[in-house]
Amino acid sequence: AQSVTQLGSHVSVSEGALVLLRCNYSSSVPPYLFWYVQYPNQGLQLLLKYTTGATLVKGINGFEAEFKKSETSFHLTKPSAHMSDAAEYFCAVSGTGFQKLVFGTGTRLLVSP
Amino acid sequence: GAVVSQHPSWVICKSGTSVKIECRSLDFQATTMFWYRQFPKQSLMLMATSNEGSKATYEQGVEKDKFLINHASLTLSTLTVTSAHPEDSSFYICSAGGNTEAFFGQGTRLTVV
Repeated sequence: AQSVTQLGSHVSVSEGALVLLRCNYSSSVPPYLFWYVQYPNQGLQLLLKYTTGATLVKGINGFEAEFKKSETSFHLTKPSAHMSDAAEYFCAVSGTGFQKLVFGTGTRLLVSP
Repeated sequence: GAVVSQHPSWVICKSGTSVKIECRSLDFQATTMFWYRQFPKQSLMLMATSNEGSKATYEQGVEKDKFLINHASLTLSTLTVTSAHPEDSSFYICSAGGNTEAFFGQGTRLTVV
């Protein structure tokens, strides 16, 4: 079985500051890990994913995440926040590839000028 | 990339009526699709797995007689909310797994009045 814990329902940063969104997972099999972004009343857009191989994964819009097996973590970072990054971010895990996903509770990123 | 189209994007219906939501994979065949439900400011919860040509698999606690799923072709799955009540008001999102990622529809906002 898989589960995801996202620490912090809200994260506030200033424009230009570092973004760090935390995600810890639990999985009984080697996990596939994902970060999605959701804007109000819209579906989900994939930011990045980890399947196998390199543990530092780069995604769209300057985001990246590092898979740390020893810490069971997959934190999302971005060096410099933009106002357009304000949205809801979901971490997800799958033990079955790209099919059935288990989502965390989400973190709302607020970016102030 | 692959596209999953969901229709309608929003719907308002009267209590006691039924509502059908369509999920189409536009440029790939999906033998399996997934239906999620998202309450305001909460995460996505998997409702059911839609299997082409066979019965859907429902998650624990989801009423299969209330949420009817039909997956009659490799590109179309439908979710029908039967005898809708205000507590069924929610954001419903479908997804289909491709070879490299899961693709999500844009979601349907259902409001039952």
